[in-house]
Amino acid sequence: RKEVEQDPGPFNVPEGATVAFNCTYSNSASQSFFWYRQDCRKEPKLLMSVYSSGNEDGRFTAQLNRASQYISLLIRDSKLSDSATYLCVVRGNAGNNRKLIWGLGTSLAVNP
Amino acid sequence: SQTIHQWPATLVQPVGSPLSLECTVEGTSNPNLYWYRQAAGRGLQLLFYSVGIGQISSEVPQNLSASRPQDRQFILSSKKLLLSDSGFYLCAWTSGFGELFFGEGSRLTVL
Repeated sequence: RKEVEQDPGPFNVPEGATVAFNCTYSNSASQSFFWYRQDCRKEPKLLMSVYSSGNEDGRFTAQLNRASQYISLLIRDSKLSDSATYLCVVRGNAGNNRKLIWGLGTSLAVNP
Repeated sequence: SQTIHQWPATLVQPVGSPLSLECTVEGTSNPNLYWYRQAAGRGLQLLFYSVGIGQISSEVPQNLSASRPQDRQFILSSKKLLLSDSGFYLCAWTSGFGELFFGEGSRLTVL
């Protein structure tokens, strides 16, 4: 089992749609979770951190489910500019496990 | 505000040639610096990280090396490139909260 797994997609959705991505992780001791966005041939940029209680930033909502070891990202009212690859990132809690583990990303295409 | 730059943005090199990628950070002191590689179909792979001048930790054994001659300068090098070194190389620094901020990336093609 991979340490961090994401559905690669692509997810093709119309403008205005709601879309959700999940990301599973294997290390139950993981402590920090992030979603990054990467545009084609560009560097990744932090979209949002994921807190235990869940958090929302405008049209984006992130949730953490420790029992099932997954995090999710929900995008409401999709815009054309949301088209990108969304990378799930997990950090362990101590020692060598503190390094970041990156998923391969989920590709989203928002169509007019 | 903090900024990070790396160069060159794109390069095409023959097998066996040397490599030097440079990264500089501005607006912060004593940053933790990282070199990542993103190859086609693979996730970001941490190559090196540095917590200070002259302090380099290698995550993956390979024919690459890194150096940090100044506080805000991080260099990735190779004496002889392999085909498998092709990829998108990203320099990054981290804030105290664990978030990574990346440079624009250097796309390397080894022929």
